[in-house]
This record gives sequence, C-alpha cells and structure tokens, in this order.
Amino acid sequence: GNSVTQMEGPVTLSEEAFLTINCTYTATGYPSLFWYVQYPGEGLQLLLKATKADDKGSNKGFEATYRKETTSFHLEKGSVQVSDSAVYFCALSAIFNDYKLSFGAGTTVTVRA
Amino acid sequence: NAGVTQTPKFQVLKTGQSMTLQCAQDMNHNSMYWYRQDPGMGLRLIYYSASEGTTDKGEVPNGYNVSRLNKREFSLRLESAAPSQTSVYFCASSDDPTSGSRETQYFGPGTRLLVL
Repeated sequence: GNSVTQMEGPVTLSEEAFLTINCTYTATGYPSLFWYVQYPGEGLQLLLKATKADDKGSNKGFEATYRKETTSFHLEKGSVQVSDSAVYFCALSAIFNDYKLSFGAGTTVTVRA
Repeated sequence: NAGVTQTPKFQVLKTGQSMTLQCAQDMNHNSMYWYRQDPGMGLRLIYYSASEGTTDKGEVPNGYNVSRLNKREFSLRLESAAPSQTSVYFCASSDDPTSGSRETQYFGPGTRLLVL
C-alpha cells in the first residue's frame, strides 16, 4: 500500500538557518506528493505540491523536488524565520487509492530568534 | 468565502456520551473527509465521501458514523465515546475531479475532543 516516512522531530533551528526535512514514500503507480503545514492552533494548509517526477514545488521560500529514482520529496528552505515554526507533513495521493491522502507522522520545527 | 468550517472547536465528553461534529464547506467541492490527528501518528482517515450521497470507510472507522447531509455538509458522529477517541478531528474537502485538482485538500480548523 501507500506510505510516507518523514524524519522525526522535533527540529530546533536559529533564524536564518537552513532547513531540510526528509520525506520518502512507497506507492503504487505515480502518486502526487505534497507538503502541508500546520501552524499552532490551526488546521493544515497546503504548502506545495508536485504531480510528476522531477517537478519542483515551491512556495514561501520552501522547495521540494519529486525524485522518483529515490522515491523522495525532501523539503528545504534556505533561511528560516521565526514565523516558520510549525508542524510539517509530507503526504501523497494517487488515483489508484481514490485520491485519499496518506500522511507522514509530521515534523515539528521550532525557529528561535 | 469561509472555506471549511467546523463546530464545535472544543468539547469534553464523558465515556459513553454521544456527539456529532459538524463540517461545512462553501467551495462547491464534491469530496469531503474526516481525519483524526494523534501525536506521532500524523493524520488518519476516518471516513470520506467522494460525492454527495456516498460515504466510505477510511483507515480507522470503528466507533464512528458519518452523514453527507448535502453537498456542503459532512458530519461525524460518535455514538458512545471512549477515551481512545480523545483526539483532534479535522474535516477537509477537495475539488471536483473534472477540474484536475481533486487531489488538493482544504482543511478546517479542527475540533479538539477530550473524552474522560
């Protein structure tokens, strides 16, 4: 079946540091890949997505590239801010699973000033 | 345009009590979903509704029932609450598949449920 594995947190960084959150997946066929972000006390918001191999999703300074050869979709940001403190979820969906989302466990990121 | 709304925001129940969590979306989406979020486990799908009039079980349906009341509303019912159902519950909706973006889901703010 479909599954997503992402690096465990929590991750604590200083402002302007480089952030990487690893995500790998197992899926049948060609899934779409997502990063969702959950700010404290809020629901999940789509951060970025990629729908085919070698696509790069980007938003708010975050980037992730769909790597089919390594079944990975790692999230990166070059210079984090305190406002990036949140829980980040990697997820996938596929037509073979009726587009239901499969989520990773989430990674809590705290950025200190 | 409110997106996805959920009520209540917070609820405390005693074991054995029942309650219904309400969800509504104003984006004319066909598909709606209920998830629960527990520490270290990400979000797990409880039930979903691919279109008005249909519902299907997700990964963890036991102890829950759902009703797709109309295209806008999708409710989740706990008939006899148990402490294991203490969690944060999220409703989500997604686009019509004919638009090519069904896979992107939009989430409500969540309902925090405590069962004593």
